[in-house]
Amino acid sequence: GAGVSQSPSNKVTEKGKDVELRCDPISGHTALYWYRQSLGQGLEFLIYFQGNSAPDKSGLPSDRFSAERTGGSVSTLTIQRTQQEDSAVYLCASSLSGQRLLLPGGYTFGSGTRLTVV
Amino acid sequence: AQTVTQSQPEMSVQEAETVTLSCTYDTSESDYYLFWYKQPPSRQMILVIRQEAYKQQNATENRFSVNFQKAAKSFSLKISDSQLGDAAMYFCAYRIPLTGTASKLTFGTGTRLQVTL
Repeated sequence: GAGVSQSPSNKVTEKGKDVELRCDPISGHTALYWYRQSLGQGLEFLIYFQGNSAPDKSGLPSDRFSAERTGGSVSTLTIQRTQQEDSAVYLCASSLSGQRLLLPGGYTFGSGTRLTVV
Repeated sequence: AQTVTQSQPEMSVQEAETVTLSCTYDTSESDYYLFWYKQPPSRQMILVIRQEAYKQQNATENRFSVNFQKAAKSFSLKISDSQLGDAAMYFCAYRIPLTGTASKLTFGTGTRLQVTL
């Protein structure tokens, strides 16, 4: 697609429920990132996918968080047994990669999913 | 670890005036990239301007320019002739120019810019 698409745009869920957030990156972008933006905070790195390599999960805050990327394209971030502190905007970004980037900007962000846990 | 600090949670500027947003960072790397991103209410992060650390010349993009002080690890954003559409959250970010896990962006906590008539 023309941009990074995220769905749903907004999600309200009850504490303890599982949620799935979807990211559809730009076609041809091999790198995909998930960030979390809590109220009053900057963007916190969660996870990074690069092609067929093992993802960098170093930013995931707990084992309730997981993500997968099927076929090198669409990614799903899953949060199990949601807690109120999980309430945040979850942003996805994609970029070209595979070599030293000549264009150091390179990232295209989606509009995020605002998750509210009540 | 790299850190990015934005010490101004909120700033205000009158339309047509100039405002400067501050950013400092901490790194032991000599080669890196710095960015300013704008986040309007739509939530999408929009790249405003970028600076490669090896370049001494400050980057400019129309009304946006930076003051990059490598020794001081300072990277401020100047917005000239401010417009109502400039109102947004502004994030400073840092990245090392490598692929793989090191290519993730590290962000500051943001500065909310208000533009008044």
